[in-house]
Amino acid sequence: RKEVEQDPGPFNVPEGATVAFNCTYSNSASQSFFWYRQDCRKEPKLLMSVYSSGNEDGRFTAQLNRASQYISLLIRDSKLSDSATYLCVVHNNAGNMLTFGGGTRLMVKP
Amino acid sequence: ETGVTQTPRHLVMGMTNKKSLKCEQHLGHNAMYWYKQSAKKPLELMFVYNFKEQTENNSVPSRFSPECPNSSHLFLHLHTLQPEDSALYLCASSQDRRNEKLFFGSGTQLSVL
Repeated sequence: RKEVEQDPGPFNVPEGATVAFNCTYSNSASQSFFWYRQDCRKEPKLLMSVYSSGNEDGRFTAQLNRASQYISLLIRDSKLSDSATYLCVVHNNAGNMLTFGGGTRLMVKP
Repeated sequence: ETGVTQTPRHLVMGMTNKKSLKCEQHLGHNAMYWYKQSAKKPLELMFVYNFKEQTENNSVPSRFSPECPNSSHLFLHLHTLQPEDSALYLCASSQDRRNEKLFFGSGTQLSVL
């Protein structure tokens, strides 16, 4: 089983749609969680951290479910500019290791 | 504008060549990283430097040789690479090794012929 698993997609959605991605992780000792965004042929950039209580940043909402070991990213009112690959990242404090998922590709169509 | 600069952006090399990738960060960070991103695979951590000291070598073949002369600069020296080493090589930095928030450079797209 992969340490961090994501559906590679692509998710094809129309502008204005709401889309959600899940990411599962295998190490129950994982402490910190993040979503990064990577545009085609560009570097990953931190989108948002994921807190236990859930957090929201504009149209983006991230949630953590420790019992089921998954995190989610919800994007409301999708824009064309949201088209990118979204990387789930899990940090294991014990080993001080960041593990990246393979990413979920989102394509927002006009 | 990214605070982490990588050069070159693209590199094509033969299997007998020697080349170097360069990374410079302008963020005042103390930890720097090399990652490899192959097509359809997750980012793979290669090396970690914290306060100029190498703290991790993730079982990387010796044909990849990192160098960190100071906290702002990181190099990856390449020699006798294989075609399967073709990938996007990303440099990143963070405040220090305990800080999980990474800032990436734009990467070097490497093709080994």
